[in-house]
Amino acid sequence: EDQVTQSPEALRLQEGESSSLNCSYTVSGLRGLFWYRQDPGKGPEFLFTLYSAGEEKEKERLKATLTKKESFLHITAPKPEDSATYLCAVPRGSGTYKYIFGTGTRLKVLA
Amino acid sequence: DTAVSQTPKYLVTQMGNDKSIKCEQNLGHDTMYWYKQDSKKFLKIMFSYNNKELIINETVPNRFSPKSPDKAHLNLHINSLELGDSAVYFCASSYSSGGNSPLHFGNGTRLTVT
Repeated sequence: EDQVTQSPEALRLQEGESSSLNCSYTVSGLRGLFWYRQDPGKGPEFLFTLYSAGEEKEKERLKATLTKKESFLHITAPKPEDSATYLCAVPRGSGTYKYIFGTGTRLKVLA
Repeated sequence: DTAVSQTPKYLVTQMGNDKSIKCEQNLGHDTMYWYKQDSKKFLKIMFSYNNKELIINETVPNRFSPKSPDKAHLNLHINSLELGDSAVYFCASSYSSGGNSPLHFGNGTRLTVT
């Protein structure tokens, strides 16, 4: 069964303390892995798409990487404004539009 | 310019009532979705329309009926609301690239059924 699991569930960091979030997936024929950021009271906001193992994408303090079984979202020297829930998602099946979402990692960066 | 907009943002109603949520996107996408996010923040797809055609209909009670008058609009009507329907409902849109196009979400409608 296609599945997406994120860890940790919650993470508290001091400002400047780098860390990584994990997204493990089991899906046949990966057609992309998506990272989103969700702020309280808002909808998820698209960050990155990764398509193949070894691929990396960067945006400001965030860097996403992909292997054949998991993706990491590395946060370097985070700031309080990076506090949010980070979600990953993969499309399921072929020729469909069903995206399976993980339950997210709630990140809190303390000043 | 709001890309995906939903109304209302908040909806408080009593059990048994009927309510509707509206969604509009100005991104030129041809596929629109309804997702439900529960209290644990888990996002689960409910419906998807591609060019006004229903293409995904997950195991959702018949009380939920989506309608897409055109590819820029998607509405959700809920009959006989139940306590368990309380959640945040998100509208999203994308291009129809077979699952490779990222979703763009609205800011959600928080439905509370009392």
